[in-house]
Amino acid sequence: DIQLTQSPSFLSASVGDRVTITCRASQGISSYLAWYQQKPGKAPKLLIYAASTLQSGVPSRFSGSRSGTEFTLTISSLQPEDFATYYCQQLNTYPPTFGQGTKVEIK
Amino acid sequence: EVQLVESGGGLVQPGGSLRLSCAASGFTFSDHYMDWVRQAPGKGLEWVGRTRNKANSYTTEYAASVKGRFTVSRDDSENSLYLQMNSLKTEDTAVYYCASSTGTYRQFDFWGQGTLVTVSS
Repeated sequence: DIQLTQSPSFLSASVGDRVTITCRASQGISSYLAWYQQKPGKAPKLLIYAASTLQSGVPSRFSGSRSGTEFTLTISSLQPEDFATYYCQQLNTYPPTFGQGTKVEIK
Repeated sequence: EVQLVESGGGLVQPGGSLRLSCAASGFTFSDHYMDWVRQAPGKGLEWVGRTRNKANSYTTEYAASVKGRFTVSRDDSENSLYLQMNSLKTEDTAVYYCASSTGTYRQFDFWGQGTLVTVSS
């Protein structure tokens, strides 16, 4: 199975901060990577797919990028509603796998 | 408005069976691949299984952890997805989500609210 390693696992940030989360794949997955946001007790929500395509309705402060097997989710200016856990997912090879998650908390 | 509503969760003894359902509305269900994803208490997300659409012969895929025990099926006439879970183990305890999968990259664009399955004696 393809392993996805997210870093950091936890980060503490303030409203207005620029936040970057990295997801590293254990082998090549082209651009078959998605990012999801999950709040406590809620289902995950798709933010970005194809590594850098913003899902309809998602604020433009979210962006994604790819460099080889390293993928990045950036929140340009953290808002109160962005405090959540973020997961990356690869869809290139079965089984689709998720990273372990990055919890973003209020500093 | 797209809606996915899971049902059928509950408490079951180890070795028992349970059938989850997912009712879909607000999109052309028959066109989409459909997936099940689970999340154990306090843990991350784990993909469980998938059913492709009619155009792809309704073929299925499973995670190794559930293969041979779980079966994903669908009824396009009822806009419904199912997960038959047999020989349940305590490690199957989780919230189970259904999700629709679309596009070239098969991202999981819509998710249900989840249903809790607890396997315990």
